[in-house]
Amino acid sequence: QKEVEQNSGPLSVPEGAIASLNCTYSDRGSQSFFWYRQYSGKSPELIMSIYSNGDKEDGRFTAQLNKASQYVSLLIRDSQPSDSATYLCAVNRHTGNQFYFGTGTSLTVIP
Amino acid sequence: ETGVTQTPRHLVMGMTNKKSLKCEQHLGHNAMYWYKQSAKKPLELMFVYSLEERVENNSVPSRFSPECPNSSHLFLHLHTLQPEDSALYLCASSQDPPGGADTQYFGPGTRLTVL
Repeated sequence: QKEVEQNSGPLSVPEGAIASLNCTYSDRGSQSFFWYRQYSGKSPELIMSIYSNGDKEDGRFTAQLNKASQYVSLLIRDSQPSDSATYLCAVNRHTGNQFYFGTGTSLTVIP
Repeated sequence: ETGVTQTPRHLVMGMTNKKSLKCEQHLGHNAMYWYKQSAKKPLELMFVYSLEERVENNSVPSRFSPECPNSSHLFLHLHTLQPEDSALYLCASSQDPPGGADTQYFGPGTRLTVL
């Protein structure tokens, strides 16, 4: 079983719509959760971190965490073509330096 | 602009060559990481240094040898690589509180091609 699973996509949404990205993880001891954006040929860039159950909002981005379901998601409101990228979900057990990444979901926002 | 720099950005080497990748972080962090990113695969953690001591080594072949002379610098020494080692090598750093590690920040990566 993979530590972190994401739907690889591609996910396509029209400009202005809400993009919903999902991630599940296998280790119930995971404490820290991250969403990274990676443009083609570039390195991952941190978008959001979340540590507690519930929602965390930052501008057009909302991260949602449900530890009971071992599920974390990222919502992008008012999607823009510049949001087109691969989104990586990462988790950390927080008792060591072992970060686990998903394979990423490719998002395309259509103008 | 990223607080983590990597050199070189691109590297082409033969299987018998020896080369080194360099990473420097300007964020005052105390943990540094090497990752390998291949197409269609998740980021693979290779090595972790916390407070200049290696704390993780995820079964990486001995042809990859890390070095961390201080908390700001990290090297990956390469020797007799294989074509399947061609990938994007990413360096990251984080501030490591007691008992765990906080958010990681990535460098731009080195695109390695082994002929």
